[in-house]
Amino acid sequence: GAGVSQSPSNKVTEKGKDVELRCDPISGHTALYWYRQSLGQGLEFLIYFQGNSAPDKSGLPSDRFSAERTGGSVSTLTIQRTQQEDSAVYLCASRLSTGSYNEQFFGPGTRLTVL
Amino acid sequence: DQQVKQNSPSLSVQEGRISILNCDYTNSMFDYFLWYKKYPAEGPTFLISISSIKDKNEDGRFTVFLNKSAKHLSLHIVPSQPGDSAVYFCAASETGTYKYIFGTGTRLKVLA
Repeated sequence: GAGVSQSPSNKVTEKGKDVELRCDPISGHTALYWYRQSLGQGLEFLIYFQGNSAPDKSGLPSDRFSAERTGGSVSTLTIQRTQQEDSAVYLCASRLSTGSYNEQFFGPGTRLTVL
Repeated sequence: DQQVKQNSPSLSVQEGRISILNCDYTNSMFDYFLWYKKYPAEGPTFLISISSIKDKNEDGRFTVFLNKSAKHLSLHIVPSQPGDSAVYFCAASETGTYKYIFGTGTRLKVLA
């Protein structure tokens, strides 16, 4: 498709379970971001991928969170041993990195609910 | 430390009037600023941007103003329409970096 897609759109899980969230960026976009939006909060940066460079993981809130990007395209965000405070909307965005001034394109998000 | 602040969590405006959404930042190295609009159950969509070499950028009903000395930017929507009702996020970035710092958003409600 033409835009960023994410799956699943909604995920309900029990505390302690692992979850995987998927992001398909726009074709040709080399930069990929994951954000988290908790209820009433702004967009919290989690992780950034750029081409084959080492990702910036500085925003990951704990070692239960990890992400990978295979073949410079699809990305998966994994949360192990989920906690109730992990409940949020997880947003993926991609960006065409050539040039300094260009915007991010966001997917629709995955709403994660941890019971 | 919140580097980008949107101090008004919500704003209500009558249809046809001007909507003014404000954003303040603390990092003087930021030189590129963006506004995004977000509808419920959708991801944010890019609205308009401005680089620090300008103080105004206009696109149809949307105008962004940048006051570098005050570290303040604003988004003006004229005339406001009910379809503009959404959450608006401002974001800031520094050339040569890849991080975009987002504010907490302002929920705009345009009343018919």
